[in-house]
Amino acid sequence: QVQLQESGPGLVKPSQTLSLTCTVSGGSVDNAGYYWSWIRQRPERGPEWIGYIYYTGSTSYKSSLKSRLMLSLDTSRNQFSLRLASVTAADTAVYYCVRTRIGVTEGNITTSFDLWGRGLLVSVSS
Amino acid sequence: DIQMTQSPSSLSASLGDSVTITCRTSHFISTYLNWYQQRPGEAPKLLIYAASTLQSGASSRFSGNGSGTEFVLTIRDLRPEDFATYYCQDSYGALHFGPGTKLQIK
Repeated sequence: QVQLQESGPGLVKPSQTLSLTCTVSGGSVDNAGYYWSWIRQRPERGPEWIGYIYYTGSTSYKSSLKSRLMLSLDTSRNQFSLRLASVTAADTAVYYCVRTRIGVTEGNITTSFDLWGRGLLVSVSS
Repeated sequence: DIQMTQSPSSLSASLGDSVTITCRTSHFISTYLNWYQQRPGEAPKLLIYAASTLQSGASSRFSGNGSGTEFVLTIRDLRPEDFATYYCQDSYGALHFGPGTKLQIK
């Protein structure tokens, strides 16, 4: 079955760039039926969608993170990645990579986060 | 930006009980609403999409209802594995999650 696995450093210094990679196994990132999302969850808070990328390379980002965020996709490695620049302590969170199913509800494209990685805790601290 | 609220923020119930969690949105979102369950130390899990459609593999003891700005998640016949935190989520637009409802065993 399809599985997602996050990888990257667990500690990043303030003002540096956080880089994470998600490896997808048992399925393909160039499946037209899915976006590939990053979601984070700060301590004692609800999940927060950060952004997604489609197999065509098109992206959608949370508006408040747009200036610092870049998502990319590597179909040859079946991976997608996140780069978040100029991090602060407020970026400390568990970061999840998530398969995002594209659906149609009442004629509009909707999404649901149907398969999650186990999550990776990233702390921002000097 | 859409605001999402959930009530109650926490509740206690006994095994075998039925409970209801409500999600309200500041804007009309038709049936563009998903529900997730998150157990401690685990990633969230999709339960319901499009307000009332049960995700494949989710227990039929879960049901969702509502449209517009008010949505309800009902859990029947509570089992030990149901004690978790539940989140609603806007599935069209900014994809916001609600603040969560923590269901605890009485």
